[in-house]
Amino acid sequence: SQQGEEDPQALSIQEGENATMNCSYKTSINNLQWYRQNSGRGLVHLILIRSNEREKHSGRLRVTLDTSKKSSSLLITASRAADTASYFCATDRYNAGNMLTFGGGTRLMVKP
Amino acid sequence: EPEVTQTPSHQVTQMGQEVILRCVPISNHLYFYWYRQILGQKVEFLVSFYNNEISEKSEIFDDQFSVERPDGSNFTLKIRSTKLEDSAMYFCASRRLADTDTQYFGPGTRLTVL
Repeated sequence: SQQGEEDPQALSIQEGENATMNCSYKTSINNLQWYRQNSGRGLVHLILIRSNEREKHSGRLRVTLDTSKKSSSLLITASRAADTASYFCATDRYNAGNMLTFGGGTRLMVKP
Repeated sequence: EPEVTQTPSHQVTQMGQEVILRCVPISNHLYFYWYRQILGQKVEFLVSFYNNEISEKSEIFDDQFSVERPDGSNFTLKIRSTKLEDSAMYFCASRRLADTDTQYFGPGTRLTVL
């Protein structure tokens, strides 16, 4: 798989349930970030976790990072219909420009 | 809160035509980026730009592409002779020099090449 691959590709849950999305990557990273994209819209930065961190919380979001397995997970608790969107992980390998390498994304649908 | 803006929101062009996509980064940001997302695919890095020169570019960013900061506010992506496969959403992003972590993305320009 390529740098920053998410699974599942699509996830459908009921409102109130938790949603877990996973991301795997191949190279060493400086940090890993999660973005949200509503259909046909721009990218919204959700949360960043640095390579020396293992877990981070922000509101209903919980991100974990396992650098030994080169993987991360994003948990959205108590999901809402408004959480329906695509979620992407992006890795930042330290370089001159700090370019982000995005995964293929998970399409989350939260049914009311 | 300051935002990255992009114009136009949607551009339709004929194959072989030149297009210029415009971005206004956040005012105190000094690093600028272009990414693209072909429909249904990943967001892909194109180029980063700092101090009036390209910092890094991907294999996608060939001789048909160029970037410019023509004045103190705009950052442009030019595609000289568009191809059908250039149809995509193009995102501009910017960040502060000191904050290497957070890139702020614009809403994107949808480019359709016919």
